Amino acid sequence: GGIITQTPKFLIGQEGQKLTLKCQQNFNHDTMYWYRQDSGKGLRLIYYSITENDLQKGDLSEGYDASREKKSSFSLTVTSAQKNEMAVFLCASSPGTISYEQYFGPGTRLTVL
Amino acid sequence: AQSVTQPDARVTVSEGVSLQLRCKYSYSGTPYLFWYVQYPRQGLQLLLKYYSGDPVVQGVNGFEAEFSKSNSSFHLRKASVHWSDSAVYFCVLSGNYGSSGNKLIFGIGTLLSVKP
Repeated sequence: GGIITQTPKFLIGQEGQKLTLKCQQNFNHDTMYWYRQDSGKGLRLIYYSITENDLQKGDLSEGYDASREKKSSFSLTVTSAQKNEMAVFLCASSPGTISYEQYFGPGTRLTVL
Repeated sequence: AQSVTQPDARVTVSEGVSLQLRCKYSYSGTPYLFWYVQYPRQGLQLLLKYYSGDPVVQGVNGFEAEFSKSNSSFHLRKASVHWSDSAVYFCVLSGNYGSSGNKLIFGIGTLLSVKP
């Protein structure tokens, strides 16, 4: 088996601040994903990456940047945090891009003051 | 448009009863379907998946789901629930979305509360 770790678990930022979330996986999976989870809205895809140095925009990419410098890691940057923003950011990985289940990390809970 | 509908945002049952959580999907091709569970303050865990073949698929912890192409449904069932099954359950659709790429479409989730 494998595991996905996300750091930090909790992130508190100020309005306008640039914030970075990190994700590591040891499944040796090719594809990694970042989702945003808001209460009552399910999960929405922000970015995904099918291999090292690849980036693909999801439905919610505006306001975010991502980086995949190694196969095992995928970072997400909130470029300018919005006041009163509160959400959970989930990282996932899968062996391929089509019709494969995804494996999720425990999440990073963001609060913007 | 591709979509997943979970009509019940919240379900409350007593321990030991049977359970069905409903899921309807909209997709023109052959769907690949999943159920995930999210326990409090944790990530999502895969319960079961359907790709093809037998429409009834077995998952972990006694859960099963039945795929129906005619009804566009993928309902989750358990014969006897336990208080530890209390969690949020997501029905998820995967398919080839052409120029939009391949991605998972999530329902909004059903919060299951099991009373001891």
